[in-house]
Formats: sequence, C-alpha cells, structure tokens
Amino acid sequence: EPEVTQTPSHQVTQMGQEVILRCVPISNHLYFYWYRQILGQKVEFLVSFYNNEISEKSEIFDDQFSVERPDGSNFTLKIRSTKLEDSAMYFCASTSDTTSGINEQFFGPGTRLTVL
Amino acid sequence: AQKVTQAQTEISVVEKEDVTLDCVYETRDTTYYLFWYKQPPSGELVFLIRRNSFDEQNEISGRYSWNFQKSTSSFNFTITASQVVDSAVYFCALRGNNAGNMLTFGGGTRLMVKP
Repeated sequence: EPEVTQTPSHQVTQMGQEVILRCVPISNHLYFYWYRQILGQKVEFLVSFYNNEISEKSEIFDDQFSVERPDGSNFTLKIRSTKLEDSAMYFCASTSDTTSGINEQFFGPGTRLTVL
Repeated sequence: AQKVTQAQTEISVVEKEDVTLDCVYETRDTTYYLFWYKQPPSGELVFLIRRNSFDEQNEISGRYSWNFQKSTSSFNFTITASQVVDSAVYFCALRGNNAGNMLTFGGGTRLMVKP
C-alpha cells in the first residue's frame, strides 16, 4: 500500500540553524500539507500546498518557514533560523482530491525536530 | 473559525470494557468533514474514519463504531470490548470548505487499556 515517507525520523539542531525536513507524498496525490505537534499537545496545521503554491497557511507559518516541491516527488519544509519553540514532531500529509470531499489525508510517520 | 473539542484528556479502562470517546465540533460551513485518527505510542497518525456532514448514518467497523449527531455537533467514537492494543491517543478532526482543506484537530484523548 502506498504511503507517505519522511526523512529524517529525528533531527537535532542548534538554535539559529536552518533545517530542511523532507517528505515524499503518495505518488498520485496533488495536495500536500505540513502539520506539527508539540510534545503532548494537539496536531496543528501549518500549511497546505497545491499546484506549486501555498493554498493556505496558519499563523504559525511565519517568514521563518517555507515549503517547496523541488521535483516531482519531494515536498520540503524549511525552517530558516530555528528557535527552541520549534521543537516538535512535524507531520507531512497528502491527499488525492478535495473537490468531492471524499478524501482523507494520509500522514507520514513524522520527523521529530529537537532544537538545542 | 473552526474548533474541535475533546473534553476527555485521558481515559483508563480495563480490557474488554466498552469505551466512548467524545468529540464536539464548531463550524460555520454547511458542508464539512469529520475524521478520527489514532496515534499509537510509536507516534504516527493512523486514519480511522471519515464522515461527511450530509451523511448522518452511524457506522460500525468491527469493534469500532461512530455516532454522528448534527443536532448536537458531536461525532463520538466507541470501542467495544477494548483491547490493550487500543491504547493510544485518539484525535478527532474537522475539515471545512476552506481553500486549503486543512484539518483542525481536537486536543486528543489518551486511552489506556489495562489488561
């Protein structure tokens, strides 16, 4: 069964460093998402991406964040200058179609980001 | 604005007991979609069910059942004859008719099933 994959599974970085989290969505999916989950808290939406552009973003997704689909398979989240409060689990998700509403978002296993 | 509330932060049951996880939502959209996800200790998010706002039929899948009541804006999840493997955090989520199709998650309910 096709699945969303994410690398790395765990990333440790120093405050102020740039990190890139990578995701490979399911191959025929067209809509891509990033969510984050601070330890012990709920899952929060960051950004959605369709047709090579951001379709929606949350207040969390400030200028320090960016997303890119550099090729036909990868979808990346970049944090330019990490802060301690960026420490969280980051989930990538994808879905095939949203117009009919008959869809679910399939989530990757997550990347745990630890900022020291 | 959308909101999902899972009032039960933690539930503990003994194996074979039935347990119901509550979910109450708020949205101004007339068409919306509700979901349940399971997050086992390993951390991934596992899709369990999707329900459209125009379909109020309840659903049963094995030991799992879902009760969608539009009148009370609730989408409750019942596990019958719980098992230790059901121990996880369960999230209810809502997707409205927004352009980004984002999911709004509730705070989650941690279910602990003891042998």
